[in-house]
Amino acid sequence: GIQVEQSPPDLILQEGANSTLRCNFSDSVNNLQWFHQNPWGQLINLFYIPSGTKQNGRLSATTVATERYSLLYISSSQTTDSGVYFCAGRGYNNNDMRFGAGTRLTVKP
Amino acid sequence: DAGITQSPRHKVTETGTPVTLRCHQTENHRYMYWYRQDPGHGLRLIHYSYGVKDTDKGEVSDGYSVSRSKTEDFLLTLESATSSQTSVYFCAISGGTGGNQPQHFGDGTRLSIL
Repeated sequence: GIQVEQSPPDLILQEGANSTLRCNFSDSVNNLQWFHQNPWGQLINLFYIPSGTKQNGRLSATTVATERYSLLYISSSQTTDSGVYFCAGRGYNNNDMRFGAGTRLTVKP
Repeated sequence: DAGITQSPRHKVTETGTPVTLRCHQTENHRYMYWYRQDPGHGLRLIHYSYGVKDTDKGEVSDGYSVSRSKTEDFLLTLESATSSQTSVYFCAISGGTGGNQPQHFGDGTRLSIL
């Protein structure tokens, strides 16, 4: 299966700051998602984005499929954005969805 | 929110006992998945199903079995639980025909094996 690397592993921000999270894949993917795991452990779908750019409020994501990476942008961060952000992808020759180890975001008031 | 219910939500049991976790969906989705989440590993796929009675292994399938006798239910069984299987278990579902649709997750089952 593919390898998924996320960076940075940890990020601490002041409320109102912007941030960019990155996800690199070892091979091409045909299914790519971003999730937010909140402090209660729930996994929340943010984006399904195998290619292109999407926006949802203060969050947006861009996937450059030809270069095997995806970016998640968080603007004007709020304390409720805290948690762990995961990206996951599935290669063309596999049925596994592989997850990165996550980026732990802490937003301070 | 996707209609996914995992049961039980918490379980503590002893090494060597059998354990069955249940995932129930109300979305009539074809694909169902079981993952485990451990510190430092993110989520890892255990088994998945692409239809009734159709299942396949994932990345970490050793020590686990699954069954799907109805579209809405996907069961994960630990035949003889070991301490290394202490983890948080998540069920996920997705629609479509090729598995290339977003996965939606249940709230997880926290399993402790003493």
